[in-house]
Amino acid sequence: DADVTQTPRNRITKTGKRIMLECSQTKGHDRMYWYRQDPGLGLQLIYYSFDVKDINKGEISDGYSVSRQAQAKFSLSLESAIPNQTALYFCATSDITGNEQFFGPGTRLTVL
Amino acid sequence: GQNIDQPTEMTATEGAIVQINCTYQTSGFNGLFWYQQHAGEAPTFLSYNVLDGLEEKGRFSSFLSRSKGYSYLLLKELQMKDSASYLCAPKEVMDTGRRALTFGSGTRLQVQP
Repeated sequence: DADVTQTPRNRITKTGKRIMLECSQTKGHDRMYWYRQDPGLGLQLIYYSFDVKDINKGEISDGYSVSRQAQAKFSLSLESAIPNQTALYFCATSDITGNEQFFGPGTRLTVL
Repeated sequence: GQNIDQPTEMTATEGAIVQINCTYQTSGFNGLFWYQQHAGEAPTFLSYNVLDGLEEKGRFSSFLSRSKGYSYLLLKELQMKDSASYLCAPKEVMDTGRRALTFGSGTRLQVQP
């Protein structure tokens, strides 16, 4: 079984809709991250959480919100989706050193 | 990562050696990572350098010079499966005061027969 899972894997939605992407991990890591990746570009950090009560904005947090429901779960919400949020979204985890990150398989989101 | 510079694309021949360079400018540098990402898949960890010098791991090696803000990834005995994007990611202090990785745009390597 995968250590980091994301649901859904693919989602097509319309402008203005609220969308939630979910991430779960079985690695027992405290730290979790949400990234987006646009075609041909690197990963941009949206939000990161160092434990359940510690949530931080990343480089591109506008238009997004997160919830850390438990150590193992970190969800990303788009309150009102817009077309330029069409991208591949990755969740990742790391231990307390923040060194090697383990990525989920990604969620491909299309906003029409 | 607008302060991370690596070539966009590289092409090399199967069995050859290729070096992918990365230059960076960061705040509170705390190590540099290289990740491999095949098209449409999740990135996977390759290497981590926190001190100057060369770290060797099988066919892959990574070098760091902190004073120059420079790193490279060296891939030897290239195989077709090495065709992928290679992401340079320095660990730095974010606006929140916490350390996190900042990823470069990646170098897309194509290995030809």
